[in-house]
Amino acid sequence: KAGVTQTPRYLIKTRGQQVTLSCSPISGHRSVSWYQQTPGQGLQFLFEYFSETQRNKGNFPGRFSGRQFSNSRSEMNVSTLELGDSALYLCASSPMGRENTEAFFGQGTRLTVV
Amino acid sequence: AQSVTQLGSHVSVSEGALVLLRCNYSSSVPPYLFWYVQYPNQGLQLLLKYTTGATLVKGINGFEAEFKKSETSFHLTKPSAHMSDAAEYFCAVSSASGGSYIPTFGRGTSLIVHP
Repeated sequence: KAGVTQTPRYLIKTRGQQVTLSCSPISGHRSVSWYQQTPGQGLQFLFEYFSETQRNKGNFPGRFSGRQFSNSRSEMNVSTLELGDSALYLCASSPMGRENTEAFFGQGTRLTVV
Repeated sequence: AQSVTQLGSHVSVSEGALVLLRCNYSSSVPPYLFWYVQYPNQGLQLLLKYTTGATLVKGINGFEAEFKKSETSFHLTKPSAHMSDAAEYFCAVSSASGGSYIPTFGRGTSLIVHP
């Protein structure tokens, strides 16, 4: 079974641009979550999608958005990029998204904003 | 609300020595607890998890953790460190508190293994 696939792995963008990151979950998983990881803030939850609906949202500005398609693939978008958005963005999928189910993580997308 | 505290941002051990990474949690309802490992520029991989039942949980790569409710702890141990264990380790807690099951992660502990 293929794991969680995130594309691209590395990305360099300029301040003010926008970026779209993609995540393909494990086959059969319906819950997809996104996290931002930085040295200063650690792992911070962005949002979670289940059956194409945003079910949970973290404390990030509206510049961060996401969506999920009918095949459970998910994208996240960051508009008007700031230097502070430089981070490793991790996607995780779960079969049901319940409290006792583990999250399976992709390798992440390393975003650098210059 | 739930939270996780990992004591020590860095832990240094010699190869062959005992590994002990500390994790304390806070949760208003029975928690589910996880330990993940992250290698450089990689995603997180589950080492082990506690849901219900036996409080001593065995995971991959020789790691184990014990859930102690009275101490609200879930420390990770390995009897003998290997060079390949050098990585970042994250403790996480998940519960149904407030209807949200999104796991909360600790800040991570970097394990350094000296030859």
